[in-house]
Amino acid sequence: DGGITQSPKYLFRKEGQNVTLSCEQNLNHDAMYWYRQDPGQGLRLIYYSQIVNDFQKGDIAEGYSVSREKKESFPLTVTSAQKNPTAFYLCASSRSGISTEAFFGQGTRLTVV
Amino acid sequence: QKEVEQDPGPLSVPEGAIVSLNCTYSNSAFQYFMWYRQYSRKGPELLMYTYSSGNKEDGRFTAQVDKSSKYISLFIRDSQPSDSATYLCAMSAGGTSYGKLTFGQGTILTVHP
Repeated sequence: DGGITQSPKYLFRKEGQNVTLSCEQNLNHDAMYWYRQDPGQGLRLIYYSQIVNDFQKGDIAEGYSVSREKKESFPLTVTSAQKNPTAFYLCASSRSGISTEAFFGQGTRLTVV
Repeated sequence: QKEVEQDPGPLSVPEGAIVSLNCTYSNSAFQYFMWYRQYSRKGPELLMYTYSSGNKEDGRFTAQVDKSSKYISLFIRDSQPSDSATYLCAMSAGGTSYGKLTFGQGTILTVHP
């Protein structure tokens, strides 16, 4: 079945650690996105990539980094510079061109301990 | 002022009721409008996708877009307990911004038997 797979489902991070969230899609979509969801704030865009080896900052990129070495994969690293990393992280993908329908993975819940 | 405003609710209705969910927006460049349904601790699921103004119907769901008023709605007829979820509106300007979605805060809906 085609879809977007995020792993792990739950992740715990100690203060000062970097952690990497995985996102893989087999939908053959060109574009991929990372959103952060906090209670009462909807989803906010962290980074997006429209093509392999290229990505752009979204609205809240500080403290995060990404890479796009393969079309299928778009990992997100939450660095120690991110002051409030506890949140629900969602990866999405969409076709290129005029279509703007985005399809989401099941999310990773990150907690700082 | 946020670009997209959505009443967070919560909204509680009896089974069989007609539900109306709404969003207003300020960015006149938005052309693509979506409604997502999100169950607790899951990723958002695309429900409806519309381009520009007009209505779109899919089973018990009807999406309306009024670009002149910068107002979109989702109607759910004959609501069921399984409709209980958070509903997120999202929109995009398209073009080079395709897939970059701006979300409302989400409305929490409970349909009780």
